[in-house]
Amino acid sequence: GAGVSQTPSNKVTEKGKYVELRCDPISGHTALYWYRQSLGQGPEFLIYFQGTGAADDSGLPNDRFFAVRPEGSVSTLKIQRTERGDSAVYLCASSPLPGTDTQYFGPGTRLTVL
Amino acid sequence: QQQVKQSPQSLIVQKGGIPIINCAYENTAFDYFPWYQQFPGKGPALLIAIRPDVSEKKEGRFTISFNKSAKQFSLHIMDSQPGDSATYFCAASNYGQNFVFGPGTRLSVLP
Repeated sequence: GAGVSQTPSNKVTEKGKYVELRCDPISGHTALYWYRQSLGQGPEFLIYFQGTGAADDSGLPNDRFFAVRPEGSVSTLKIQRTERGDSAVYLCASSPLPGTDTQYFGPGTRLTVL
Repeated sequence: QQQVKQSPQSLIVQKGGIPIINCAYENTAFDYFPWYQQFPGKGPALLIAIRPDVSEKKEGRFTISFNKSAKQFSLHIMDSQPGDSATYFCAASNYGQNFVFGPGTRLSVLP
């Protein structure tokens, strides 16, 4: 079947604007993760969903960042009042079962804040 | 305590060589240690993973060595090929939740 998909693949916005990044996990996967990857760095954990609820949002850098997964499938990462420092690749990953460690990553959304 | 350290930052080997990448962690609650391979413009892909109850795991040309007492683990790539040229990340997690990644190692395998 299809892998994890993310849209858009690229997003350019101006400082102060609001953006939404979408993640479609592999069908049936209950766990969903968001990461941020800056150039030359490893992925940095943002938030983890188990079903519809955020099981761990300790990685969200501040209250400008918010993520939802209302039906336990598609997830949206929302960034308000974007700053130039938010520029990065935002990665989504999903896992098939609670407590299963194998993650399948999407290709990422490259966000550029001008 | 959540940090995972990784070295070297970059590595160049000849085809057929055995690159070794090392990682170290502090949090003894980590119970799962995967390695990911990432090509430019792509998301990371799981290569191989190990749990702390074993000291070594081999899958094809990839081997993880794990030293629980030293809190270190390493990736060995046997008979490396130019197609293995990529960035490699080690990671650690606690019950499949908060994954912590190392900063990555850029590997170049020369033909």
